[in-house]
Amino acid sequence: AQKVTQAQTEISVVEKEDVTLDCVYETRDTTYYLFWYKQPPSGELVFLIRRNSFDEQNEISGRYSWNFQKSTSSFNFTITASQVVDSAVYFCALSEFGAGNMLTFGGGTRLMVKP
Amino acid sequence: DTGVSQDPRHKITKRGQNVTFRCDPISEHNRLYWYRQTLGQGPEFLTYFQNEAQLEKSRLLSDRFSAERPKGSFSTLEIQRTEQGDSAMYLCASSETSGVSYNEQFFGPGTRLTVL
Repeated sequence: AQKVTQAQTEISVVEKEDVTLDCVYETRDTTYYLFWYKQPPSGELVFLIRRNSFDEQNEISGRYSWNFQKSTSSFNFTITASQVVDSAVYFCALSEFGAGNMLTFGGGTRLMVKP
Repeated sequence: DTGVSQDPRHKITKRGQNVTFRCDPISEHNRLYWYRQTLGQGPEFLTYFQNEAQLEKSRLLSDRFSAERPKGSFSTLEIQRTEQGDSAMYLCASSETSGVSYNEQFFGPGTRLTVL
């Protein structure tokens, strides 16, 4: 069965600090997809990134970067120079190939960025 | 705005009552998903449709829950004889299907259910 674990339930940083959100996953499939979603206080889930299991290249998008390591079954998310607007709950999710694109989410990490 | 919409946004009901939620997906999306999110937890998959066919249901979907997508467009999720444990945010998402590649799910704003 697939499982996603986000061990950090809550992180608090001061603006401009860098912060890394951890995600560890379990799956028996060799083909799968990993995601990060952001859920701001308004509640709507916002898609941030998707990676497939064959692409371990790290990705950078502005202040966001993602580190995918199959050897440790981890897909960590780093925000550089955090801003107050980054305050939200962040979810890591997994979808096994052929599973109808169903997402299995982790429990989320609440990030609070203080001015 | 052509995103996923859900109605109502909030619903308060008494235990034992029936409730129905509606989801309108992005118009060209043929897959529609329902998830449930309880306070402090990540969303949990409930069920999904491809066009009008319900292809998968989670064990979380008890007999009191039923979902339909009669014409392959909007979907309804009904909960009969609500219980306090049903209090949660019910999220709808939609996606395209295109061969074997993965297609992102776009989420609606959710319906927050409170059962008193």
